[in-house]
Amino acid sequence: QQQVKQSPQSLIVQKGGISIINCAYENTAFDYFPWYQQFPGKGPALLIAIRPDVSEKKEGRFTISFNKSAKQFSLHIMDSQPGDSATYFCAAQGSSNYKLTFGKGTLLTVNP
Amino acid sequence: GAGVSQSPRYKVTKRGQDVTLRCDPISSHATLYWYQQALGQGPEFLTYFNYEAQPDKSGLPSDRFSAERPEGSISTLTIQRTEQRDSAMYRCASSISPHNEQFFGPGTRLTVL
Repeated sequence: QQQVKQSPQSLIVQKGGISIINCAYENTAFDYFPWYQQFPGKGPALLIAIRPDVSEKKEGRFTISFNKSAKQFSLHIMDSQPGDSATYFCAAQGSSNYKLTFGKGTLLTVNP
Repeated sequence: GAGVSQSPRYKVTKRGQDVTLRCDPISSHATLYWYQQALGQGPEFLTYFNYEAQPDKSGLPSDRFSAERPEGSISTLTIQRTEQRDSAMYRCASSISPHNEQFFGPGTRLTVL
């Protein structure tokens, strides 16, 4: 049972464009939703995270939008840059369970 | 150290052999996690430690998998009688405490021939 579904699997965007990655979850006990960025040969690194008491969180060019009723959240990368090319994972964590449940990942390519 | 380190970075073994993977977390981090990441997939939880206690090992695929953290610092993940389906990236992460940001290591790529 895949508890966090992520789409698209891959995404190609032109420099300066907006990258959008979507995730949906099933477990209503999840209360923390981080996004991780992973470069080749490196481990995932936390990019931005949100809790369900807010509908949006913005940090620089990165924004998480959260829809609790739809059990969906998304990552928006504004003014995408070639340096943003990486694999992005959404994840979810519950208050009583410390493990992260990850989506399958999205390979983002930003063309110059 | 400055970050989470793992060794070896690559391990090739023959089916049926035992392997031990090592994780050195960020110093002062109480919580340590092990994840398995198949190619093209996100990391999947195996087990975690809070200091030397192991409250959750629900993700370990079989009793061939075991993990230790005897002094609440370095941890090892041992896979006995390896099988080809065990081939994956094994990632370790640590956090100051449960429910804080998890910092991931570079992983150990295990290939079972």
